[in-house]
Amino acid sequence: AQSVTQPDIHITVSEGASLELRCNYSYGATPYLFWYVQSPGQGLQLLLKYFSGDTLVQGIKGFEAEFKRSQSYFNLRKPSVHWSDAAEYFCAGENPDSNYQLIWGAGTKLIIKP
Amino acid sequence: DAGVIQSPRHEVTEMGQEVTLRCKPISGHDYLFWYRQTMMRGLELLIYFNNNVPIDDSGMPEDRFSAKMPNASFSTLKIQPSEPRDSAVYFCASSLRGKGLNEQFFGPGTRLTVL
Repeated sequence: AQSVTQPDIHITVSEGASLELRCNYSYGATPYLFWYVQSPGQGLQLLLKYFSGDTLVQGIKGFEAEFKRSQSYFNLRKPSVHWSDAAEYFCAGENPDSNYQLIWGAGTKLIIKP
Repeated sequence: DAGVIQSPRHEVTEMGQEVTLRCKPISGHDYLFWYRQTMMRGLELLIYFNNNVPIDDSGMPEDRFSAKMPNASFSTLKIQPSEPRDSAVYFCASSLRGKGLNEQFFGPGTRLTVL
């Protein structure tokens, strides 16, 4: 069955440090993949998306993600985090069996140390 | 564009009462989704509509939950009767087929507390 896995429930990084959030997917074909961010008390906002082509995808707020088919991951990165990046991050992939249903990861909560 | 609009933002009710959550999708979007988010179960898709027609309601937890979309600009999610275990944040999202495919735009959510 298709799945999206975020292995880290929490990640703590210092302000100014680099960030990598992991996302693994299980699909037969090349999936459509997304990263969303949810700030406290807010809805989810799309950070970036991957459909095809270049394996490094640029998003908003200085985020980027690398798609690596051979290792089935779609990891989110940021070179230098800011305190305002503290939020929960969700990876999602399109369900090939249901064209408009996303499969969501469980989320990773990012904590920023001053 | 105002984005997806949900009301109310917060709802506190007593067990057994009827609760109605409302959503106005982004104008022109043809898909609408209702999600529920809890600490224990994370983000769950309850139901989604295409062109106002329910396509998949397999995520609706039980018959106490119902959703309607009478027109392209309005949808409701109703819980009757409500129970404490229904306490959660309920999100509405909308998307447009052919524009970023499955990119969904989320509303701010309704935080429901059932006492």
